[in-house]
Amino acid sequence: QQPVQSPQAVILREGEDAVINCSSSKALYSVHWYRQKHGEAPVFLMILLKGGEQKGHEKISASFNEKKQQSSLYLTASQLSYSGTYFCGTAKSYSGAGSYQLTFGKGTKLSVIP
Amino acid sequence: DTGVSQDPRHKITKRGQNVTFRCDPISEHNRLYWYRQTLGQGPEFLTYFQNEAQLEKSRLLSDRFSAERPKGSFSTLEIQRTEQGDSAMYLCASSQRHGYSPLHFGNGTRLTVT
Repeated sequence: QQPVQSPQAVILREGEDAVINCSSSKALYSVHWYRQKHGEAPVFLMILLKGGEQKGHEKISASFNEKKQQSSLYLTASQLSYSGTYFCGTAKSYSGAGSYQLTFGKGTKLSVIP
Repeated sequence: DTGVSQDPRHKITKRGQNVTFRCDPISEHNRLYWYRQTLGQGPEFLTYFQNEAQLEKSRLLSDRFSAERPKGSFSTLEIQRTEQGDSAMYLCASSQRHGYSPLHFGNGTRLTVT
């Protein structure tokens, strides 16, 4: 089942912060975050596994709450280069083939303006 | 690391024709995936290979779609008797075998069925 992302779109000024949420009605084993710029391939940001770990990538970090079946992506002090569509992908099992067959949300379009 | 390469970048075909796309994964990656992406949606899983074995296939993949990965290197995705609903971006991704390796996506093949 497709995870739900919110908000659908957000506009930020450079230096502002944003939070993107990803929630699922089914148990989550891992959450994968990707960013896709217009006309380009999705690019990997980070993977979060069961255990509520918070991972970081540049000024982008994320958390994973397996009890609430949701993950949040935090973008701090946003830069123009952060513009793009952010997708979360969820795995349907903990191991085996299902652990990397991802179901992606519809994405959150982030626009950072000067 | 030359990245995942897909060919062609664009394909326009008439309804009813057959089309074939090629994907060359990153050389040391033994996992290969095909995803499909339509406007405003996240990538949608189609099929997965580990080496030359096709281990997973989405229920959404009709009999008109077939994928191969001979010798565990490049892969081809063929669509027979194309329909207008097949118009989409077809993304190939590869990853390493161990653990939760991130997906490395190619730039995709954009298919337009007229």
